Amino acid sequence: GENVEQHPSTLSVQEGDSAVIKCTYSDSASNYFPWYKQELGKGPQLIIDIRSNVGEKKDQRIAVTLNKTAKHFSLHITETQPEDSAVYFCAAFWSGYALNFGKGTSLLVTP
Amino acid sequence: DTAVSQTPKYLVTQMGNDKSIKCEQNLGHDTMYWYKQDSKKFLKIMFSYNNKELIINETVPNRFSPKSPDKAHLNLHINSLELGDSAVYFCASSSNQETQYFGPGTRLLVL
Repeated sequence: GENVEQHPSTLSVQEGDSAVIKCTYSDSASNYFPWYKQELGKGPQLIIDIRSNVGEKKDQRIAVTLNKTAKHFSLHITETQPEDSAVYFCAAFWSGYALNFGKGTSLLVTP
Repeated sequence: DTAVSQTPKYLVTQMGNDKSIKCEQNLGHDTMYWYKQDSKKFLKIMFSYNNKELIINETVPNRFSPKSPDKAHLNLHINSLELGDSAVYFCASSSNQETQYFGPGTRLLVL
C-alpha cells in the first residue's frame, strides 16, 4: 500500500518568513496530491492540490511542487501570518482507493 | 450552509456501551468516508461508501458498522466501546473520490 512520509513534524517560523513542508510517497501509481490545513478543534480543510501531470501550482501565498521521478512533493507558504498556524497534512491518492495521509506538520507562526 | 455535518460533536460514554455518530452532506457527492484521528493526529481511513455501497473497509474491528441509508448520509455505529476507541472521528465526502471535504469531527471519549 501507499506510504506517505512528511517532514518536519513541527515547524516554527517568524511572521513574514517562508515555510516549507515536504512529503514523499512510495506508490508510483499515486496521481493526486492534496494538502489539508487543520485548525484546532476543526476538521481538515483542503488548501491546495496537484495532479501528477503538473509540476507546480500556486494560489496566492501557497504553492505546491511535485517531482514525480523522485516521488516527493512540497508545500510552500510565503509571507507567513499568525493565522497560518495549524497542522498541515499532505496526502497521496491512487485511483480506486482512498487518501493516504502523512503524519502532519504542526506549524507555528510567531508575530 | 454546512457542507458536511456530524452529530454529536462530543461524545463521552462508558466502556461497553453502544453509540452512533451521524454524518450528512449536502454537496450532492456520491462517495462518503469515515476517518479516525488518534491522539497523535494521525488520520486513517476506516470506511468508504459510494452510492450507498461499501467500497473500502480497512482493518477495523467488526464492532464498527457503517450504514448508509442514502447517498447523503453515512452513519457509524460502534458496539461494545473500548478505551482504545477514544479518538476524533471525521466524516468526509467526495464527488470524484479524490478531492475530499471533511466534517467538523466527533470527539469520542470512552471512560
